Amino acid sequence: LAKTTQPISMDSYEGQEVNITCSHNNIATNDYITWYQQFPSQGPRFIIQGYKTKVTNEVASLFIPADRKSSTLSLPRVSLSDTAVYYCLVWDSNYQLIWGAGTKLIIKP
Amino acid sequence: NAGVTQTPKFRVLKTGQSMTLLCAQDMNHEYMYWYRQDPGMGLRLIHYSVGEGTTAKGEVPDGYNVSRLKKQNFLLGLESAAPSQTSVYFCASSLAGPSYEQYFGPGTRLTVT
Repeated sequence: LAKTTQPISMDSYEGQEVNITCSHNNIATNDYITWYQQFPSQGPRFIIQGYKTKVTNEVASLFIPADRKSSTLSLPRVSLSDTAVYYCLVWDSNYQLIWGAGTKLIIKP
Repeated sequence: NAGVTQTPKFRVLKTGQSMTLLCAQDMNHEYMYWYRQDPGMGLRLIHYSVGEGTTAKGEVPDGYNVSRLKKQNFLLGLESAAPSQTSVYFCASSLAGPSYEQYFGPGTRLTVT
């Protein structure tokens, strides 16, 4: 079974760039790595996904090294509304869905 | 377009009681999922469905059953509730497999006493 590791919590300030890294081993070689955001009392919401190298959308970037043993979610110029829990999601080599335990991000004014 | 809805939002059960959680999606998605989320933890997949009439076990299927008689609905049943099943239950759907964006419902908070 794949194992994922994320920092439990992080603090930052408005306007800063925040990078959250998820380590994952034994993941499927041909599938995406996905990140979700969750606010209290809500279901998770898709942010971004990638297979390798770098992906960017209107809210975030995702960096995945060639060995795919980690991925880094980058949030540019965060605001107070980015305070949430962020999860990585991978498939393991046995095609089981594995969610990270989540990183609680707190943005301060 | 309601997206994914879940019924009920809250429920309290006594040990040994049974109940069914209903999930409905109006996006014509093939895949549907049931997860549980315990305090301070990530999501764990209970069961999922790859299409009408098909279901499969996830990471933590014991004590739960599911049915997908209609494409838009996915039911999660607890036959004999236990305190260990106290959790928040989320339903999700995706157009195709889990690598596609999953759309989540608002959750059902279940307490078993």
